[in-house]
Amino acid sequence: GAVVSQHPSRVICKSGTSVKIECRSLDFQATTMFWYRQFPKKSLMLMATSNEGSKATYEQGVEKDKFLINHASLTLSTLTVTSAHPEDSSFYICSASLPGTGIGYGYTFGSGTRLTVV
Amino acid sequence: QQPVQSPQAVILREGEDAVINCSSSKALYSVHWYRQKHGEAPVFLMILLKGGEQKGHEKISASFNEKKQQSSLYLTASQLSYSGTYFCGATGGGNKLTFGTGTQLKVEL
Repeated sequence: GAVVSQHPSRVICKSGTSVKIECRSLDFQATTMFWYRQFPKKSLMLMATSNEGSKATYEQGVEKDKFLINHASLTLSTLTVTSAHPEDSSFYICSASLPGTGIGYGYTFGSGTRLTVV
Repeated sequence: QQPVQSPQAVILREGEDAVINCSSSKALYSVHWYRQKHGEAPVFLMILLKGGEQKGHEKISASFNEKKQQSSLYLTASQLSYSGTYFCGATGGGNKLTFGTGTQLKVEL
C-alpha cells in the first residue's frame, strides 16, 4: 500500500519548452506532497511543499514562476518546468506523507523523473 | 541547512562493518534513513523518533542521540546489495524532510 506513481520516468525536451511531471498517490489521499531535485552524485534538495487546494510553499532560492506546482486533488500533484533550460536538467522526485502517521513520521517516494533539456 | 554526513564515501569488502554518521545543526524531531541506487528513488530503511532510540532491520540498525542532534547507521556483515548512497533525513517538528549530504557506500568481493 501507500504507493506514489510518478510520470514520466524520462523526458527529453527542447530549450524554451515546458514539461509537466505528474505524481499520483494510488491507494491513499495525499494532502501534502513534496518535490525534490537531485543533481548527479548530490543529495536530494527540497524544492517545494505541495498542499491540496492551496498554493505551494517554495524553498528559498526556488523560482516559483519557473517551477509551477499544482495540487488540485487529493491524489495528484504536478510540477511544470516552464521555459526549460539545459541547467534545469536533473532528477526530480516527488514524495507524500504516509497516511495514518504523525507529522514527519513516514514518507513514500515516486520513482523519479529524469529531465534532459537540449 | 541540511544535515552533514560522514564519511562522504566508504569502500568495504563483503562481510565488513561500517558506520555512517548524520549530524544536524538544528533540533531534530525524527531521523530517517534511506538507501538510493543509481538512477532510482530512495528506499526507506527506518525511522527513529525518540532520543536514544535504536532500531534494527536485519543487519542494519541505527541510533538517535537527540541531545547531540546526531544519528548513526550501523551496517554489519555487509553484502554486495548494500552498495548505494545512504541518506539521513531529518524533520524539525514540521513535515518537511530534509536530506543529509549523503554517503556513498561500495561493497566489493
